[in-house]
Amino acid sequence: DVVLTQTPPTLSATIGQSVSISCRSSQSLLHSNGNTYLHWLLQRPGQSPQLLIYLVSRLESGVPNRFSGSGSGTDFTLKISGVEAEDLGVYYCVQGTHAPWTFGGGTKLELK
Amino acid sequence: EVLLQQSGAELVRPGSSVKISCKASGYTFTDYYMHWVKQRPEQGLVWIGRINPANGNTVYAEKFKSKATLTADKSSNTAYMQLSSLTSEDTATYFCTTVRDWGQGVMVTVSS
Repeated sequence: DVVLTQTPPTLSATIGQSVSISCRSSQSLLHSNGNTYLHWLLQRPGQSPQLLIYLVSRLESGVPNRFSGSGSGTDFTLKISGVEAEDLGVYYCVQGTHAPWTFGGGTKLELK
Repeated sequence: EVLLQQSGAELVRPGSSVKISCKASGYTFTDYYMHWVKQRPEQGLVWIGRINPANGNTVYAEKFKSKATLTADKSSNTAYMQLSSLTSEDTATYFCTTVRDWGQGVMVTVSS
């Protein structure tokens, strides 16, 4: 199975600070059809996960543009340009290129 | 508006089975795979498997092949997951998701 390693596991930030989360894959996530099925989710406390970024860098409808995704192959990054209070929670990367789908271990974003 | 409405919380006995549902609305049910995800208390997300509602084809993660059975009823736009031979390890919240949209989760508690 593909292993997704997220770092850091915990992130402390002040409001307005820019932060990045890394997601590294044990194998390339480039599918034979040319797509890279690497997505980012946010799970706020007590809520279901929500999709933020899909296919590495595409911003889901309704998601603020302070969120951005980048990367290719095995290395991917989620950046938040100016953390807001509503951004607190656990961020997960997930890959759907190879069955079974697998999730990263999560990065908890806390207020400093 | 897309809505994935899951059934209510379950308290079940060890060794028994449980079937939880996920009723989809706001989109064409057969257009998207339905995935199921497990989350144990205070832990990360684990992919169980997915079903293609259009034809019933399923893919399971290896560790859930003898634990979970996924089905879908096109007439009622509802996906189901049955979990069998329940143990305390199955105590968790279970989500249905198209990846873009998520159900509210079903808490299954296995206890005598």
